[in-house]
Amino acid sequence: GAVVSQHPSWVICKSGTSVKIECRSLDFQATTMFWYRQFPKQSLMLMATSNEGSKATYEQGVEKDKFLINHASLTLSTLTVTSAHPEDSSFYICSARTGQGVTDTQYFGPGTRLTVL
Amino acid sequence: AQSVTQPDIHITVSEGASLELRCNYSYGATPYLFWYVQSPGQGLQLLLKYFSGDTLVQGIKGFEAEFKRSQSSFNLRKPSVHWSDAAEYFCAVGGNQGGKLIFGQGTELSVKP
Repeated sequence: GAVVSQHPSWVICKSGTSVKIECRSLDFQATTMFWYRQFPKQSLMLMATSNEGSKATYEQGVEKDKFLINHASLTLSTLTVTSAHPEDSSFYICSARTGQGVTDTQYFGPGTRLTVL
Repeated sequence: AQSVTQPDIHITVSEGASLELRCNYSYGATPYLFWYVQSPGQGLQLLLKYFSGDTLVQGIKGFEAEFKRSQSSFNLRKPSVHWSDAAEYFCAVGGNQGGKLIFGQGTELSVKP
């Protein structure tokens, strides 16, 4: 099956620094990738939709200047948490679709645990 | 409003017993329904999906789900649970919105020996 990787798996940073998280589709091209945030014992909340070669579409309430998304190629999307603060600590998960059809499946990465001190 | 409700936050079943995880959705258009499983340290894995056709869907690992439009439900079932099934299970709904999914709160499954 399709594989999506994320790097790093976990990261600890100081408040005020920026952190970049990579999401890669390893064996397929993904025109569309998604970024989610998951708090402990809670559901996945969609943050933004990332389309290759265009600007990301952010969900209501998500600060686009805080969470910078770049989808530079058909296999790579990055999420940069700028000037991170403790409240940004969370589990960030990306997913990638195998196509543009409504029935195309979304495959998920293993997630990145971000801890901001 | 579009939403997914999983009424059970945590369920414990004995190994070998049957399992049913509940999922109710609210969606304004034709829903596409999914069940994912999340194990610690691993990404969400798709168990099964429903787009159209037969309302009883077979998935991986012996799971099945039944779409009931009249009840806005898509419950997940397994006839005999294995200890390795212990994980978090998420129901999700999507449609013609560029692949965007709305997830339920998740149900944590524990399996007693």
